[in-house]
Amino acid sequence: RKEVEQDPGPFNVPEGATVAFNCTYSNSASQSFFWYRQDCRKEPKLLMSVYSSGNEDGRFTAQLNRASQYISLLIRDSKLSDSATYLCVVSSGTYKYIFGTGTRLKVLA
Amino acid sequence: GAGVSQSPSNKVTEKGKDVELRCDPISGHTALYWYRQSLGQGLEFLIYFQGNSAPDKSGLPSDRFSAERTGGSVSTLTIQRTQQEDSAVYLCASSLVGGQAGNTIYFGEGSWLTVV
Repeated sequence: RKEVEQDPGPFNVPEGATVAFNCTYSNSASQSFFWYRQDCRKEPKLLMSVYSSGNEDGRFTAQLNRASQYISLLIRDSKLSDSATYLCVVSSGTYKYIFGTGTRLKVLA
Repeated sequence: GAGVSQSPSNKVTEKGKDVELRCDPISGHTALYWYRQSLGQGLEFLIYFQGNSAPDKSGLPSDRFSAERTGGSVSTLTIQRTQQEDSAVYLCASSLVGGQAGNTIYFGEGSWLTVV
């Protein structure tokens, strides 16, 4: 079993739609959680950290469920510019960051 | 600098040649990471440096790969006797300090290596 698992997609959604991605992790000692965004042939960039109580940044909402060991990312009112691969990243508080293989999102006009 | 800087951006090399990839982390960042990403694949951890501590080399795929970090700043990843399966983008990242919960890592734009 992979340490961090994501549905690879692609998720094809129309503009304005709401879309959600889940990510599961296997290490119950994990302490830090992030969502990164990666555009085609570009480096990953931090989208948002994920906090225990859940957090929101504009159209983006991240949730953490420690009991079930998953994190989620919700994108509301999808824009064409949201098309990218979204990487789930988990760390146990050490320097090792474990990256999921990513979920591809395509927002269609 | 403002961000993590990597060079070269693109490198095409012949099988069997050695290549050196350079990374200049964000100023003040003590932790430095190298990752590799093959086409359509996830990020593969290669090596981690923290200050003057011994690096974690556990992710290096073979003894053809080595990395140095001089003066706690710039790092060089060297691949000897390159093989076609080494073709990938090599991503360098840095963070303020490694090993702290919530610490964020920032990536450079990567060095795209093609071995022909």
